[in-house]
Amino acid sequence: DVKVTQSSRYLVKRTGEKVFLECVQDMDHENMFWYRQDPGLGLRLIYFSYDVKMKEKGDIPEGYSVSREKKERFSLILESASTNQTSMYLCASSLIWLQGGSNQPQHFGDGTRLSIL
Amino acid sequence: QQPVQSPQAVILREGEDAVINCSSSKALYSVHWYRQKHGEAPVFLMILLKGGEQKGHEKISASFNEKKQQSSLYLTASQLSYSGTYFCGTDYMEYGNKLVFGAGTILRVKS
Repeated sequence: DVKVTQSSRYLVKRTGEKVFLECVQDMDHENMFWYRQDPGLGLRLIYFSYDVKMKEKGDIPEGYSVSREKKERFSLILESASTNQTSMYLCASSLIWLQGGSNQPQHFGDGTRLSIL
Repeated sequence: QQPVQSPQAVILREGEDAVINCSSSKALYSVHWYRQKHGEAPVFLMILLKGGEQKGHEKISASFNEKKQQSSLYLTASQLSYSGTYFCGTDYMEYGNKLVFGAGTILRVKS
């Protein structure tokens, strides 16, 4: 079974801090994703990576950056945390589908509930 | 471009059936369905590719109507374990391997 591990289940930080959320997958997946989940809004894509050192912006990238130095690890960085970034953050991975579109399931981690005070 | 899911919430008794719809205003390549139980990670249920495909997974099945750009998830003879939030993820070809998720449908099955 695919295992996607997020470094923390709960995290509390202060406004202005630089925050790192880590995600590791063990199935050699090319694609990795960071989502933000808020009540009534579903899952919104922050950033996406399809290869080492490659990244693409999702729908809500403002205030975030990412790093993918190794295939199995994808980090989300809040450059200067603000209270409106308090949320549940979910990491996911999938195999790549080169013909365009996606017929590969995404596998999710358990999430990190981040509170910014 | 977020797909619209309906209903927003539904309460069932064990053994009853339910249908959850996912509609898009743009042409779809595929639709993914996931279920998330409270406090847990979303879990993959099934993918439907364009072509009007219908798939099944135990008593949960789904269809994809390419003309209407809509997918429906059918839960038959619901069980307590079906409770959770159901998300559809829509795939627009030009987005590559990315999905756009709906806001979710909360399903609660009561005994």
